[in-house]
Amino acid sequence: ETGVTQTPRHLVMGMTNKKSLKCEQHLGHNAMYWYKQSAKKPLELMFVYNFKEQTENNSVPSRFSPECPNSSHLFLHLHTLQPEDSALYLCASSHGRQGASETQYFGPGTRLLVL
Amino acid sequence: GENVEQHPSTLSVQEGDSAVIKCTYSDSASNYFPWYKQELGKGPQLIIDIRSNVGEKKDQRIAVTLNKTAKHFSLHITETQPEDSAVYFCAPLASSASKIIFGSGTRLSIRP
Repeated sequence: ETGVTQTPRHLVMGMTNKKSLKCEQHLGHNAMYWYKQSAKKPLELMFVYNFKEQTENNSVPSRFSPECPNSSHLFLHLHTLQPEDSALYLCASSHGRQGASETQYFGPGTRLLVL
Repeated sequence: GENVEQHPSTLSVQEGDSAVIKCTYSDSASNYFPWYKQELGKGPQLIIDIRSNVGEKKDQRIAVTLNKTAKHFSLHITETQPEDSAVYFCAPLASSASKIIFGSGTRLSIRP
């Protein structure tokens, strides 16, 4: 166990659905991240929250909407997704003091399939 | 921005032999060089890292070597075992960077 949990682990949704992915970290960290991992591409950073403030949005389409209500929880709200959004969505956390030069602690991911 | 290349993309070695994976980067300001291991059904986990003031670091069967002049660093796994089968990622980083760029990954398979 890494101290980062993600739910659900698997999700199938239609293009018109709205769903949310949840991430929780039990490590006392202050930075949280969403990554997308596709079969054909490297790990792609999507969003960064540092001390609950969004500090990075890596040109992610607006159909992905992050929410960070506190330092321990991170959500990714999904609506009107496309089949090409099917991927493994990974959440990670880090201490948040040194910026990006920090070890990332990853959750197990949510495997998303968009039909 | 940082350009990261990782080679090879796949590697198959006999159990007990050594494996080497190389990561090349472009940002000369990079000063943190981690390697992550991703097993099936799990997220990546840090296995070893090195900072730019050190040329080599070892932790039992794994080691990382850094060549800052040539802008590359390598992961070395000796006496490979079946549990080493996984995908390995590098993620070189400058302290001023706002985001992390991961390498494309190396799928390592250990043949019994």
